Amino acid sequence: QVQVVESGGGVVQPGGSLRLSCAASGFTFSHYGFHWVRQAPGKGLEWVAFIRYDGINKYYADSLKGRFTISRDDSKNTLYLQMNSLRAEDTAVYYCAKGSWYGPFDSWGQGTEATVSS
Amino acid sequence: EIVMTQSPATLSVSPGERATLSCRASQSVGSNLAWYQQKPGQAPRLLIYDTSTRATGIPARFSGSGSGTEFTLTINSLQSEDFAVYYCQQYNNWPTFGQGTKVEIK
Repeated sequence: QVQVVESGGGVVQPGGSLRLSCAASGFTFSHYGFHWVRQAPGKGLEWVAFIRYDGINKYYADSLKGRFTISRDDSKNTLYLQMNSLRAEDTAVYYCAKGSWYGPFDSWGQGTEATVSS
Repeated sequence: EIVMTQSPATLSVSPGERATLSCRASQSVGSNLAWYQQKPGQAPRLLIYDTSTRATGIPARFSGSGSGTEFTLTINSLQSEDFAVYYCQQYNNWPTFGQGTKVEIK
């Protein structure tokens, strides 16, 4: 069945970097687009980034101001989110979700937690 | 950015009763509206997409309606497993979520 599993979260100091991964299985990875969505502690859902099935189109939330980069490796069925210049307000659970740009997010991973703290 | 506003923030309902959740968009999103359910410590789960289509495996007691800027999620005969937070999301433009409605046991 469809499965997506995030990893790579942890504790990092302000200004530091993290790379999140999302391993997918149960479907043809290269045929689908993916999103990253985050959820700060006790808060709602915030869309972060999207990458199209072919890796050509990438979109980011304005609030990120160029600090995050989404990418994919179809040979490894894996999605990535490189997060640089991290701030306390980036502390959240990060989810990857399968979906197209003009479509719902139909499969979600369990999330990986990133904490930015000194 | 399209702002999604959900109401109420919290809905207290007795098991077996009906819950009606509302979602309003700041501009028309057509029928490009989804609903998600999230339980504590779990990932969101897609319930409804394209305003009224149930996702795979979602029980018929969940139904969605609306169009343009006004949308509704109805849960008939609430079961114990339905008490959760529900989010609406538009995908007509850059994706945005509502702030959520918590459905709690009355």
